[in-house]
Amino acid sequence: AQKITQTQPGMFVQEKEAVTLDCTYDTSDQSYGLFWYKQPSSGEMIFLIYQGSYDEQNATEGRYSLNFQKARKSANLVISASQLGDSAMYFCAMRERGRDDKIIFGKGTRLHILP
Amino acid sequence: GAVVSQHPSRVICKSGTSVKIECRSLDFQATTMFWYRQFPKQSLMLMATSNEGSKATYEQGVEKDKFLINHASLTLSTLTVTSAHPEDSSFYICSASFMNTEAFFGQGTRLTVV
Repeated sequence: AQKITQTQPGMFVQEKEAVTLDCTYDTSDQSYGLFWYKQPSSGEMIFLIYQGSYDEQNATEGRYSLNFQKARKSANLVISASQLGDSAMYFCAMRERGRDDKIIFGKGTRLHILP
Repeated sequence: GAVVSQHPSRVICKSGTSVKIECRSLDFQATTMFWYRQFPKQSLMLMATSNEGSKATYEQGVEKDKFLINHASLTLSTLTVTSAHPEDSSFYICSASFMNTEAFFGQGTRLTVV
């Protein structure tokens, strides 16, 4: 069963608008971590933001914020004031503490920012 | 963020030869390193998890003898693709983390087997 679900294969957003990338996850563990990474065409994986399952407040890093809804098991990434350089592939990932501590990824969302 | 260096960034090798990819954490001690494989326009597929000083844990379907992983120190892990064939051509990327914190990725290695 898929543990990380990203339902948006691709998105087109006008520059300067805010964008929300969806991510839902499935785990029976109480302790886990959620990540978002950006992968531009160069292939490198850029860490954006992290949310721990016990964190009560939503994580924020500059223009990135994570809308963490634990009961719904969702961890959406919000990018405010999008820029052309935000065009890339975005991956949601989860780390389960008790399962060999591995990090697994969703299928990704390709974000296109339009000028 | 922390710096993870992966080398080489690109490699072309002949079918039947072996290729070694290095992953180094430059400014922190990586207690855990992960190796992923990524096909074009697809997600990262976890191949194996390695903890320093112990044998790697391979994901189901990943051949241990084909993809040899060594994590001999807290700053270096290597992936060796043995007897490479064209179907092994892919983008391989490592990540490193310290004590269950976020994982930082190397730049990736594009392997082409001809």
